[in-house]
Amino acid sequence: DAGVTQSPTHLIKTRGQQVTLRCSPISGHKSVSWYQQVLGQGPQFIFQYYEKEERGRGNFPDRFSARQFPNYSSELNVNALLLGDSALYLCASSWGPQGYQPQHFGDGTRLSIL
Amino acid sequence: QQQVKQSPQSLIVQKGGIPIINCAYENTAFDYFPWYQQFPGKGPALLIAIRPDVSEKKEGRFTISFNKSAKQFSLHIMDSQPGDSATYFCAASKDNAGNMLTFGGGTRLMVKP
Repeated sequence: DAGVTQSPTHLIKTRGQQVTLRCSPISGHKSVSWYQQVLGQGPQFIFQYYEKEERGRGNFPDRFSARQFPNYSSELNVNALLLGDSALYLCASSWGPQGYQPQHFGDGTRLSIL
Repeated sequence: QQQVKQSPQSLIVQKGGIPIINCAYENTAFDYFPWYQQFPGKGPALLIAIRPDVSEKKEGRFTISFNKSAKQFSLHIMDSQPGDSATYFCAASKDNAGNMLTFGGGTRLMVKP
């Protein structure tokens, strides 16, 4: 079975632009979470969606938004990009929303802001 | 506030050695503690996880030791190999707070041949 797939793999944007990142979870997984990983640091939680509803939000500004579709895929949108948004954006999926459900990560989208 | 502190930041061992990575947490509501392995250019891969009702868990060459009273847990890699060279992250989450994982800062492990 395919793992978590993310697209695109790399993206270069300039300050002020908007970006949309996409994630397809493992087949059968209904929960999708998004994380930001700055170089040299651990991932930071951004959002969790389960059954198309937001179930958790990390400490990120309103420029960050996300949604989940009926097929459980998800998009992360970031508006008004800042240099500090340069990072690896990771998507993780799991069967359900509980904390003990193992989360499986994709290889991420590397976003560079010029 | 960094809720999960990981040490050391980097670690070098010889092949066959047993690297030990330590994590300490502050929030007593955490009740699920996974470890992830990340290679350059890849996403984190789940290695092994533990819940606080057990003090140790083994899967292959990987062992988690858990000390609930001290709010600490550690990863031991038995018979380490050069292919184990990667960055390791501990994490924690709460059952009643969704899938939100709080990660440690990571440990870069190098296993020399």
